[in-house]
Amino acid sequence: AQSVTQLGSHVSVSEGALVLLRCNYSSSVPPYLFWYVQYPNQGLQLLLKYTSAATLVKGINGFEAEFKKSETSFHLTKPSAHMSDAAEYFCAVRGGSQGNLIFGKGTKLSVKP
Amino acid sequence: NAGVTQTPKFRVLKTGQSMTLLCAQDMNHEYMYWYRQDPGMGLRLIHYSVGEGTTAKGEVPDGYNVSRLKKQNFLLGLESAAPSQTSVYFCASSYSNLRQGVTEAFFGQGTRLTVV
Repeated sequence: AQSVTQLGSHVSVSEGALVLLRCNYSSSVPPYLFWYVQYPNQGLQLLLKYTSAATLVKGINGFEAEFKKSETSFHLTKPSAHMSDAAEYFCAVRGGSQGNLIFGKGTKLSVKP
Repeated sequence: NAGVTQTPKFRVLKTGQSMTLLCAQDMNHEYMYWYRQDPGMGLRLIHYSVGEGTTAKGEVPDGYNVSRLKKQNFLLGLESAAPSQTSVYFCASSYSNLRQGVTEAFFGQGTRLTVV
């Protein structure tokens, strides 16, 4: 069975600092992995996805994630945080052939001026 | 394109009342899902559909029913609301391609439901 663990329910960084949000997965099959962002009172927006092509995946808004099979990780990074990055971020793994997603519990990112 | 639209956006119910949440997508997607989001729990799958006329249970289906009579619509029903069903409900849709299978999900803006 697939599962996702996000380390850290809250992460706080200063504007301009590196953003690192951690995600580890468990999957019995080659995983399809996703990062979504949720701004306050809004739905989820796809940041990026890994579908077994390149291990370094670039997404929107300057975010990227690297798939590391040996570490079962898919951490999300951004070199320089912006105030507008403040949001909640969810890592997810595809749960089955019907496409349902299994989500981590989310990491709330705060950006200090 | 509107994408995925949920109706209503907010609702307050009394315990025991019933209601239906409507999800509509205009992307011709085959797959549709209902999730609930609770603080510190992430999103959990309630029910899903892999095509018109089909539905299946997800992780937390108890107390909910669904119907997919038309490809573009996916309805979530609460027959007798309970305070434990206070949550934010998200509908999503997805499509499939030959290389990747079912791809990423597109989400609606959510329905915030409070049961008192």
